[in-house]
Amino acid sequence: DTEVTQTPKHLVMGMTNKKSLKCEQHMGHRAMYWYKQKAKKPPELMFVYSYEKLSINESVPSRFSPECPNSSLLNLHLHALQPEDSALYLCASSQPDDYEQYFGPGTRLTVT
Amino acid sequence: DAKTTQPPSMDCAEGRAANLPCNHSTISGNEYVYWYRQIHSQGPQYIIHGLKNNETNEMASLIITEDRKSSTLILPHATLRDTAVYYCPHMTTDSWGKLQFGAGTQVVVTP
Repeated sequence: DTEVTQTPKHLVMGMTNKKSLKCEQHMGHRAMYWYKQKAKKPPELMFVYSYEKLSINESVPSRFSPECPNSSLLNLHLHALQPEDSALYLCASSQPDDYEQYFGPGTRLTVT
Repeated sequence: DAKTTQPPSMDCAEGRAANLPCNHSTISGNEYVYWYRQIHSQGPQYIIHGLKNNETNEMASLIITEDRKSSTLILPHATLRDTAVYYCPHMTTDSWGKLQFGAGTQVVVTP
């Protein structure tokens, strides 16, 4: 199984809502990532978890809160987002020390 | 500041080889060259990587110049399904795990 799954596929939320994005992999990977991708732009790294510990936070605003409850799951908790946060949010996984990352299909987020 | 540079777009006829260049003049000696592609509405997909030697897999071939300042991804027989944005991201060695994607090359394969 070389699949990274993300739920939901689409999410529309208001600026006062709290929602969560979920990512799951069963490849035994111990590194997981969140990326943000705006339309017609490349993916931008947000967070990296290695062995369930946050190892990189790319100065992401605190309204985005990542969580890695176990080695297979990665969540991104969203609160008080702004319309400019509307984007495709991609999850990826890999073995530590390996840049061969497996990406999920993404969650298309719209903030109204 | 861009760590890798690629042409913004490229057209290729179906069945022909597509040669995609990437300039990575600031690459360090221990940094690999990676290539990914992103088909519309999908997540990026790993293609291939290499350090010094040329590499080939079922998807593509990778040619790295001897000075390692540039590389070429070769799709030997392009199909319509190869239409995608192709990236040669920069990997940082100061913090493991960081792939920095540049703007990439939009490849359109036409019948």
